Amino acid sequence: ETGVTQTPRHLVMGMTNKKSLKCEQHLGHNAMYWYKQSAKKPLELMFVYNFKEQTENNSVPSRFSPECPNSSHLFLHLHTLQPEDSALYLCASSQERETGANVLTFGAGSRLTVL
Amino acid sequence: GQNIDQPTEMTATEGAIVQINCTYQTSGFNGLFWYQQHAGEAPTFLSYNVLDGLEEKGRFSSFLSRSKGYSYLLLKELQMKDSASYLCAVGDSNYQLIWGAGTKLIIKP
Repeated sequence: ETGVTQTPRHLVMGMTNKKSLKCEQHLGHNAMYWYKQSAKKPLELMFVYNFKEQTENNSVPSRFSPECPNSSHLFLHLHTLQPEDSALYLCASSQERETGANVLTFGAGSRLTVL
Repeated sequence: GQNIDQPTEMTATEGAIVQINCTYQTSGFNGLFWYQQHAGEAPTFLSYNVLDGLEEKGRFSSFLSRSKGYSYLLLKELQMKDSASYLCAVGDSNYQLIWGAGTKLIIKP
């Protein structure tokens, strides 16, 4: 496999369910990201893991919980979600450098529907 | 606040040329990116501009004017496969990307 792989591609869950999204990158990158993409809205950065630390967007509700066991794998644990959390969740990776902006490689996304 | 503006939707004809504009207001500037995203697929990197001027890459070109906070993506010899959303993003002073909402480009025969 090459690039960034996300599973599942589609997920339907009730508000009381617990589920997880998985992301795996095969590029040897040292940073991984979770983004939320809603229709006609800018990409919203949720979490970043790089070789130094985890950074998160403080506006992300605690019902979203990231886990990064190593530099190749990233999870997003979902618990007690709301219908407005329905969106496309994109994982990305990059080779983060000390200076300069980073080119992101994205996965195809996990389409989440919360009933 | 930080803001990226681009048109929501554009329509063009196969074989023609289209220009997608992007204006930005950010705290600091560390480059401007264009990504292409086909429906149901991953966004893919198209171009990166950090200096003023035009960068050409095949049928696609990207222009940047830092003094005007302005960029455009120029697509020539349009093909049906160019139907996609085009995302503009700017690296801010912390090298975090600020994204526009994307421009959906519809190509008609």
